Formats: sequence, C-alpha cells, structure tokens
Amino acid sequence: GENVEQHPSTLSVQEGDSAVIKCTYSDSASNYFPWYKQELGKRPQLIIDIRSNVGEKKDQRIAVTLNKTAKHFSLHITETQPEDSAVYFCAARYREYGNKLVFGAGTILRVKS
Amino acid sequence: DSGVTQTPKHLITATGQRVTLRCSPRSGDLSVYWYQQSLDQGLQFLIQYYNGEERAKGNILERFSAQQFPDLHSELNLSSLELGDSALYFCASSESPTEETQYFGPGTRLLVL
Repeated sequence: GENVEQHPSTLSVQEGDSAVIKCTYSDSASNYFPWYKQELGKRPQLIIDIRSNVGEKKDQRIAVTLNKTAKHFSLHITETQPEDSAVYFCAARYREYGNKLVFGAGTILRVKS
Repeated sequence: DSGVTQTPKHLITATGQRVTLRCSPRSGDLSVYWYQQSLDQGLQFLIQYYNGEERAKGNILERFSAQQFPDLHSELNLSSLELGDSALYFCASSESPTEETQYFGPGTRLLVL
C-alpha cells in the first residue's frame, strides 16, 4: 500500500536551533522523496528532494537524509530563522501509480525569536 | 512564482452546483496533476494527465472529472458539490510523466455553502 507517515505534527524551536522532521514510507519501490514548504494560504513550494540512489543531500541550511533499508527520510534545518516558520510536507513518489506523490500529514514548524 | 497558473483564486458556490477550475502548466511541461488539500485529508492526489491523456488516478470522486487540452492547459470539473468538497485545489506540472519534480500552482480555494 501507499502511506507516508510524518512526525512530529508540530515543532517549536528557538531561533538559531536545529529542526528535524522525519518521515517513513511503505512502498520499497519508491525512488523519489521531495520536501515542500507551505506558508499559510500559499502553494506548496519544493525546497529540496532526494532520489533513492543518494543517501544525503544538502542545500545551504537544509539537508535531507534517506535510509532505504529502514524506509525513512528526514529533513534537517540548521540555524533556524523566523521565516522558516511554515508547514512542511514530505512526500514519496509511487511509480506504479504514474508519477503520483503521496504526502505526509505535514509538520507545523514554529521558530520563536 | 513556479510558472504554474490557476484560475480562479477563490470560488464560492452552493451545494449541488458545478464548477470548473483551470490550470496552465509551466512552459514546456507536458504533465499536469491535480491535488486536493483539506484540513482532515491533507494533500491528496486526484489525477494526472500527460499530453492530453489520463496517466494516473488517485482518490478522485466520480462527481469530479478532468481533462487536458491540446494547448496543455487542464480543467478540473466538480459537480453536485457538497459541503465536504470545500478545500484548496492545487494543480502541479512536470516536464514529462516520469519526471519526478512537480511544481505547484497557487491553488483555487473552493468554498461550498
């Protein structure tokens, strides 16, 4: 089946601290894992993605790690800033269903200044 | 700005009515996806089109239908509307049906009264 679980549902951190959001997926055939950031009332915006042939990817303050054996992947944000406050969604691509993305339930990140 | 456009931005209608949501993909993108975002269901994949043909189907109700036209824009038709259909409807596009990266449009907020 297709399922993506995301934890935690809410996360509050102090400005400058790190934030980690974790997701697990059910289908071992999944090979692409994007992360989207969504501000209130706005569109989901792709912030980073990782493919199954890579274990880690970094882009400035954002990094994603993938453990294919355990079927989980994580988003790491370092040196958080107030503008990082948003809802973050992980997703997994299920190839046998076309190019379908199955999303996690989302994590509300609050960065307190 | 992702380059994906959606109209209208907001739509208020009554139960039992029918509405049409429109999406234009990024220039050069051939595949279009529709997603529904509601508070209780999260981001749910509805349907994917590629070059005018249906490619994959998700949890799309029978009251809903979509199509992609020769100029590659897509329309999502929602009929016999119910209160529970109130949600944000996003369109996304990708270069090809197998290209993983999907870019989301700004969404249409539908309110059924």
